[in-house]
Amino acid sequence: GAGVSQSPSNKVTEKGKDVELRCDPISGHTALYWYRQSLGQGLEFLIYFQGNSAPDKSGLPSDRFSAERTGGSVSTLTIQRTQQEDSAVYLCASSLALGATGGYTFGSGTRLTVV
Amino acid sequence: KQEVTQIPAALSVPEGENLVLNCSFTDSAIYNLQWFRQDPGKGLTSLLLIQSSQREQTSGRLNASLDKSSGRSTLYIAASQPGDSATYLCAVPNTGNQFYFGTGTSLTVIP
Repeated sequence: GAGVSQSPSNKVTEKGKDVELRCDPISGHTALYWYRQSLGQGLEFLIYFQGNSAPDKSGLPSDRFSAERTGGSVSTLTIQRTQQEDSAVYLCASSLALGATGGYTFGSGTRLTVV
Repeated sequence: KQEVTQIPAALSVPEGENLVLNCSFTDSAIYNLQWFRQDPGKGLTSLLLIQSSQREQTSGRLNASLDKSSGRSTLYIAASQPGDSATYLCAVPNTGNQFYFGTGTSLTVIP
């Protein structure tokens, strides 16, 4: 597609429920990143996928968080047993490769609210 | 670990003024540096990308410079408009697998 697409744009869920957030990167972009931004905070790195390499999961805050990328394209970020502190905007970005000349393109984010 | 700092944290200017936003980084081994704009409750919009071999990039009223040796970049906005009000973020990818964002500058342009 022309840009990075994220869905849903907004999600309200009850504490303890599982949620799935979707990211559809720009076609041909091999690198895909997930970040989250809590209210009034900076961007926090979560996970990075590059081609068929093992993902860099070093930023995932707990084992309730997981992500996968199917077929080198669409990625899903799953949060199990959601907690109120998970409330944030989850941003996805893609690029041709790390350090690519074209830079990084972000989606518009998913605003997650855990009540 | 790369540390990216932006000064000032907040800036309020009258419409029409020229202004400069600053970004500094501690590790000069960067591929490029990117400036983004973020409107409240929205995602990030890319403004300018400067490659490590470049000194500056221009787009309309925006001009970004890069001095790798001193670990600095500036974003110059000419003839500011109320629509420029947003948070401006700089980001640098490292040789690792992530990129680091600055703390952001919140800009308000007063009509």
